[in-house]
Amino acid sequence: DTAVSQTPKYLVTQMGNDKSIKCEQNLGHDTMYWYKQDSKKFLKIMFSYNNKELIINETVPNRFSPKSPDKAHLNLHINSLELGDSAVYFCASSPVGAGYGYTFGSGTRLTVV
Amino acid sequence: QKEVEQDPGPLSVPEGAIVSLNCTYSNSAFQYFMWYRQYSRKGPELLMYTYSSGNKEDGRFTAQVDKSSKYISLFIRDSQPSDSATYLCAMSPLDNDMRFGAGTRLTVKP
Repeated sequence: DTAVSQTPKYLVTQMGNDKSIKCEQNLGHDTMYWYKQDSKKFLKIMFSYNNKELIINETVPNRFSPKSPDKAHLNLHINSLELGDSAVYFCASSPVGAGYGYTFGSGTRLTVV
Repeated sequence: QKEVEQDPGPLSVPEGAIVSLNCTYSNSAFQYFMWYRQYSRKGPELLMYTYSSGNKEDGRFTAQVDKSSKYISLFIRDSQPSDSATYLCAMSPLDNDMRFGAGTRLTVKP
C-alpha cells in the first residue's frame, strides 16, 4: 500500500494549458504539503494544509491553487502553465506538523513545452 | 545568505569509506533537524530525525547537531553502493515550517 500517492507521474503539456495533480495519503496524517523541486534538486514549499485550512502559502503565483476535499487529499491545480513551471512537484504529509518528519510521494515530473 | 546551506557536491567515495555530510544554518530558532535520502526519480525519504542538540545513531548512520555553531552533520560508516543518492538536510523552528538544504549528491563506488 502506497502511503502518499500522486498522479500522474509524468505530465507533458503546452504553455497556457491548465492542469491538475492529485495527491492522496492513507497515513491518517493531519497536514499535507506541496513542494516544488527544481533542476538543481532544491525543494521549495508551496503550500500546506492542516484540517482543510491553508497554513503556509509562500510567494507562489496565484496561478497555482491547492484544493483539499478532505484530510486525505490535497490536489494542486495550475492555470495558464508557463515554461518556468517545469519541475518535479512533490506531495508530502506529516502528523501534527513537521516535527515528526514528512512522508513524500514519488513526485510528478511536469514538463511545459 | 540562505537559511540553510548545503554543499551540493558531487561527492564520490570508495565502498567502505566513512562519509561526512554537513549543513549550516542561520536561523537560531530551528529546533527540529532531519536528514532525507532521495534516490534518482524518487521522493525524499526520512533517514534521521533529531530534536535540538546532540547525537543520534541508527545502524551505520549517525546524525549530529551543534546548535551553538549552527551546524549539523550526517555520518555514514562502511558506505555501500546502495547509499548512492542525494542527501538533503532539513530543519524547522515549528511543527510545520520545514526548510530544506540544496542536497548533496553522493556516489559510493564498488
